[in-house]
Amino acid sequence: RKEVEQDPGPFNVPEGATVAFNCTYSNSASQSFFWYRQDCRKEPKLLMSVYSSGNEDGRFTAQLNRASQYISLLIRDSKLSDSATYLCVVDSNSNSGYALNFGKGTSLLVTP
Amino acid sequence: DAMVIQNPRYQVTQFGKPVTLSCSQTLNHNVMYWYQQKSSQAPKLLFHYYDKDFNNEADTPDNFQSRRPNTSFCFLDIRSPGLGDAAMYLCATSRDKTILDTQYFGPGTRLTVL
Repeated sequence: RKEVEQDPGPFNVPEGATVAFNCTYSNSASQSFFWYRQDCRKEPKLLMSVYSSGNEDGRFTAQLNRASQYISLLIRDSKLSDSATYLCVVDSNSNSGYALNFGKGTSLLVTP
Repeated sequence: DAMVIQNPRYQVTQFGKPVTLSCSQTLNHNVMYWYQQKSSQAPKLLFHYYDKDFNNEADTPDNFQSRRPNTSFCFLDIRSPGLGDAAMYLCATSRDKTILDTQYFGPGTRLTVL
């Protein structure tokens, strides 16, 4: 089983739509969770961290369900500029303690 | 201001010809990472440095080496590039090792192997 799994999409949505991405992770000892955004041929950039209680940043809401080992990202009122790949990232909680495991990403295309 | 800088942005090398990719940072972060990202794949951690302490991932091929001569710079050496090593190589930094803090990525170096 892969450590971080995401639906690769693509998700094609019209402007203004609400879209949700899901992610599952395999390591129950993981403590840190993030969503990164990666534009085509660019580097990943942190979108938001995911906290146990859930957190919101403008149009973006992240949720964590530890029991189900599941993370979600909700984007409301989608903009054209939201088109990107969204990477779910989970710490590996390995002996080295430093590693992050990235999902392959979910591709979003917002259309006019 | 650029915080994590990678040079060159595009690198073309020949099969078997050693190549070095460069990363520098202005953040004074303790940890520097090298990731390999192939098309439509997740970034895969190759190794990282905490200060001068080198940590190699178990499945990183011996063909890949790294050097960190000082806090600001880190190099990725590919001793004998194969066609399968063509990828985007991403350098990242983070402040500390005890907190899985935000990782700041450089723009990447896209490596082509002919």
